[in-house]
Amino acid sequence: NAGVTQTPKFQVLKTGQSMTLQCAQDMNHEYMSWYRQDPGMGLRLIHYSVGAGITDQGEVPNGYNVSRSTTEDFPLRLLSAAPSQTSVYFCASSPDRGGGTEAFFGQGTRLTVV
Amino acid sequence: AQKITQTQPGMFVQEKEAVTLDCTYDTSDQSYGLFWYKQPSSGEMIFLIYQGSYDEQNATEGRYSLNFQKARKSANLVISASQLGDSAMYFCAMREGLTTSSGSARQLTFGSGTQLTVLP
Repeated sequence: NAGVTQTPKFQVLKTGQSMTLQCAQDMNHEYMSWYRQDPGMGLRLIHYSVGAGITDQGEVPNGYNVSRSTTEDFPLRLLSAAPSQTSVYFCASSPDRGGGTEAFFGQGTRLTVV
Repeated sequence: AQKITQTQPGMFVQEKEAVTLDCTYDTSDQSYGLFWYKQPSSGEMIFLIYQGSYDEQNATEGRYSLNFQKARKSANLVISASQLGDSAMYFCAMREGLTTSSGSARQLTFGSGTQLTVLP
């Protein structure tokens, strides 16, 4: 199984550019989430989705958009990149609506905004 | 207030020794889950162990065990017989509201992590 696949793995953007981080899962999971990881701060939730057509904001949503047109895909869009968005981004999916099942993570995307 | 607190930014342990990584949490929910993830230098997030708030026994998975003290709101990870390959960042995380329908309540909240180095 491929699990959770994120692309690209590395990206350098100029300030003001836009881009989309791709995330796909092949496990038919309902829950998908995007996190960013910054040094000393752990992972912080950006946006999440509880199913196709349903998305909501997490702890740090500003500057990011998401959509969920299919169960499999959950892209994250940076509208106008800023240096503060330099981070490692993780997509995660979970099969459970709230139980003890762990979240499955993608390999991460290391984004640098210059 | 921090929901998940990991007070040890870095820890060192001698190979073959046991080590405890601390995690305290804050929640008013009665039904919640606690997770530990490992992040090696390659960057991926690896699930290690889970403890539910209503679980009476401490969770164990191989060399990993979770020392769950509900009254103290702590969920420390114990790694027995440390190996060089255990050197990594370790994150404690919580999922609250396991019995509610609120999507936001059931996302994972992470601590800031503990960098563990196993010495030969």
